[in-house]
Amino acid sequence: EVQLVQSGIEVKKPGESLKISCQASGYTFATYWIGWVRQMPGKGLEWMGIIYPGDSDTRYSPSFQGQVTMSADKSITTAYLQLTTLKASDTAIYYCARRIVWENHNWFDHWGQGTQVIVSS
Amino acid sequence: DIQMTQSPSSLSASVGDRVTITCRASQNINNYLHWYQQRPGKAPKLLIYAASTLQSGVPSRFSGRGSGTEFTLSISNLQPEDFATYYCQQSYTTLFSFGPGTKVDVK
Repeated sequence: EVQLVQSGIEVKKPGESLKISCQASGYTFATYWIGWVRQMPGKGLEWMGIIYPGDSDTRYSPSFQGQVTMSADKSITTAYLQLTTLKASDTAIYYCARRIVWENHNWFDHWGQGTQVIVSS
Repeated sequence: DIQMTQSPSSLSASVGDRVTITCRASQNINNYLHWYQQRPGKAPKLLIYAASTLQSGVPSRFSGRGSGTEFTLSISNLQPEDFATYYCQQSYTTLFSFGPGTKVDVK
């Protein structure tokens, strides 16, 4: 069974940094892209970027380029999303999801449970 | 960038109803369009990929149609667990933009 299990709720102060984890199981981690999606309170889904754990190839949405860093550790089948210099506007739920690529189509077929991030002084 | 819109932004329905949600793209995206359901407090769930193919395990009351710039998601015989927010997502470009969502709530 494919599973993506994310790290727990984070409460941070402005200016701090954090790293969210997404541990995968039930499939060959290195051969599927992992995407990250942000959902601000009461809002819709925003695609942040994707990473290929096999070689750490990364593609960022222009909206998040330079604001976040994605990484992956194949040895422990875990992907990471790092946010630095946090602001109140980073308060959101962050999801990881497995990307499927098929005949030039691609979609996200399995999702983590989400990590709530609260940034408040 | 490809902009995605959805209509309506919300709708009220009753159990047993048939509902249809429309997603439009700002340019031709062929059938590179996917639908997700998000129940309150839960992660999104893939319903339909490539505009009309039902994801394994998704009930057949869900169906998707469309190509080019206009797509629809229909739910027949609405069930209590279907009250949720529905998002479309394009993958014609690697920017993978989502629509703003359509909330289906109880009439």
